[in-house]
Amino acid sequence: SAVISQKPSRDICQRGTSLTIQCQVDSQVTMMFWYRQQPGQSLTLIATANQGSEATYESGFVIDKFPISRPNLTFSTLTVSNMSPEDSSIYLCSVGEGDSPLHFGNGTRLTVT
Amino acid sequence: DQQVKQNSPSLSVQEGRISILNCDYTNSMFDYFLWYKKYPAEGPTFLISISSIKDKNEDGRFTVFLNKSAKHLSLHIVPSQPGDSAVYFCAAISSGTYKYIFGTGTRLKVLA
Repeated sequence: SAVISQKPSRDICQRGTSLTIQCQVDSQVTMMFWYRQQPGQSLTLIATANQGSEATYESGFVIDKFPISRPNLTFSTLTVSNMSPEDSSIYLCSVGEGDSPLHFGNGTRLTVT
Repeated sequence: DQQVKQNSPSLSVQEGRISILNCDYTNSMFDYFLWYKKYPAEGPTFLISISSIKDKNEDGRFTVFLNKSAKHLSLHIVPSQPGDSAVYFCAAISSGTYKYIFGTGTRLKVLA
């Protein structure tokens, strides 16, 4: 299975600022996904990062708030923009190919003060 | 609307005994179900899955049971070990889509 490296592993940020999270995969993958896990909640899909095209966002998530880049088949970034305390969550990068189950990076624990 | 529910937020089991984690779903279009295990400061790792055409899948100490009529699945861990202490998420997906729907997780603590 793919090895997924995500950084930073954690950060504490002030409200109003932005944080960019990086996700590197050790093999080329077609689909990369960004999830969020708010405290005590399930994992929620934010968007699908497609190489060479705009990301596809799920209901409740917008590009202005969570811009995503996918410059090649092994790398993606998620930016959390103009942060508020409600954005405090674990953000997870994941990949899934064909019939293989979804695999996750170790996540970024974000705290917004 | 929570389509996948794990109604027990936590569970404690004695080492060597059976752990049973439960999951209910509401969407009859789901046809593939998975269990993930998550340790602190790590991402979820895939544990075991089951297709809707089966009612049981076994992998070593882990067995997943699916009851389609009740829209219920369960994960059995036998025997439970302290290293099994983690948060367990069930997830469901419809074939032809890429969107996994996760439950809220059950924190399992195996007591030595």
